[in-house]
Amino acid sequence: KAGVTQTPRYLIKTRGQQVTLSCSPISGHRSVSWYQQTPGQGLQFLFEYFSETQRNKGNFPGRFSGRQFSNSRSEMNVSTLELGDSALYLCASSLVGSVQETQYFGPGTRLLVL
Amino acid sequence: AQKVTQAQTEISVVEKEDVTLDCVYETRDTTYYLFWYKQPPSGELVFLIRRNSFDEQNEISGRYSWNFQKSTSSFNFTITASQVVDSAVYFCALSEAGIAGFQKLVFGTGTRLLVSP
Repeated sequence: KAGVTQTPRYLIKTRGQQVTLSCSPISGHRSVSWYQQTPGQGLQFLFEYFSETQRNKGNFPGRFSGRQFSNSRSEMNVSTLELGDSALYLCASSLVGSVQETQYFGPGTRLLVL
Repeated sequence: AQKVTQAQTEISVVEKEDVTLDCVYETRDTTYYLFWYKQPPSGELVFLIRRNSFDEQNEISGRYSWNFQKSTSSFNFTITASQVVDSAVYFCALSEAGIAGFQKLVFGTGTRLLVSP
């Protein structure tokens, strides 16, 4: 089975721009979660989607948004980029997102904001 | 709120040494799940193990072993006879039910393990 895939792998943007990251979950997985990893804040939960609905959201400003499509693929969008948005963005999938499940992670997208 | 503490920021060992990575967690839930992930330089988080709060048996998988102790809220990870390929950042994580009752992971700050030849 193919793992979680994320595109693009690397991205360079300038302040004020917006960016869209994409995630394809493992086949059959319907829950997709997004995490931000920075040296200062570590790994932080952004949001989780299931059946095209956002069920959980972390403590991030409204500039961070996402969506999920009917095939479970997910995108996240960051508008009005700030320097502090430079991070590794990781996507993870699981079957239905229940507490006892294991989340499987993709390779991440490294975003650099200049 | 749930919290995971990995007090060891970085550990350096020489190949073939045994090394233990510590993880202490806080939760008010009676049912919870603990995980260990490995993050090599490529960035992907690789799943290593999942443990539920009802099962305190230690687990061994090859050179890896895990010691779960509810009495001390710890879930430590030991690598026996370390190898250079074990060099990575290791994260301990706690699964909690988010606002809607579904999963989100709370991660520790990670321990960077450097194994030199």
